[in-house]
Amino acid sequence: NAGVTQTPKFQVLKTGQSMTLQCAQDMNHEYMSWYRQDPGMGLRLIHYSVGAGITDQGEVPNGYNVSRSTTEDFPLRLLSAAPSQTSVYFCASSSRPGSNTEAFFGQGTRLTVV
Amino acid sequence: SQQGEEDPQALSIQEGENATMNCSYKTSINNLQWYRQNSGRGLVHLILIRSNEREKHSGRLRVTLDTSKKSSSLLITASRAADTASYFCATDTGSGDKLTFGTGTRLAVRP
Repeated sequence: NAGVTQTPKFQVLKTGQSMTLQCAQDMNHEYMSWYRQDPGMGLRLIHYSVGAGITDQGEVPNGYNVSRSTTEDFPLRLLSAAPSQTSVYFCASSSRPGSNTEAFFGQGTRLTVV
Repeated sequence: SQQGEEDPQALSIQEGENATMNCSYKTSINNLQWYRQNSGRGLVHLILIRSNEREKHSGRLRVTLDTSKKSSSLLITASRAADTASYFCATDTGSGDKLTFGTGTRLAVRP
């Protein structure tokens, strides 16, 4: 059972570089989300998607882009990395929106921007 | 700002004791969930309580919900060293599409 798979697990970027964090789920879930986790801040919602072709902003969307061309994949793009984007990023998926059912999380991507 | 806030921020107890952590939230909710996160790992769902429920049990976990006070508590009974982790409450906001998390309680259970 793969569940939610995030790649890479670790990444170091230089300021100004771009990259894409990959997220894939094999549970046929409609709802997918990206969060960032910083010390003392808990998890903050970056972007989310309620189905293929539909995305929306969360609490901290600036500096990040997303797209959802398939049900399975929900990549997160950093167009021009900044040190403030150093964080641990988590992707999650669920079969129903919001708090209506449990969310399944990937193992995270630890990103450092120098 | 975040929907939920847990307290205490950190809790240290002896193995066998009970651990209680609280979550307060700001707006009306449909449901409230609790998650656990072991160090450096993803979050794992523990329990979901609906807005029309007041208490729910799952194994050594007991969750209460008081919608009039906009608060919930998670009780872990007979704690074990393996319960050492961070615990987060999560609720939905606005249209109900978004799941937002509190700031978490770090629990340390001493053997």
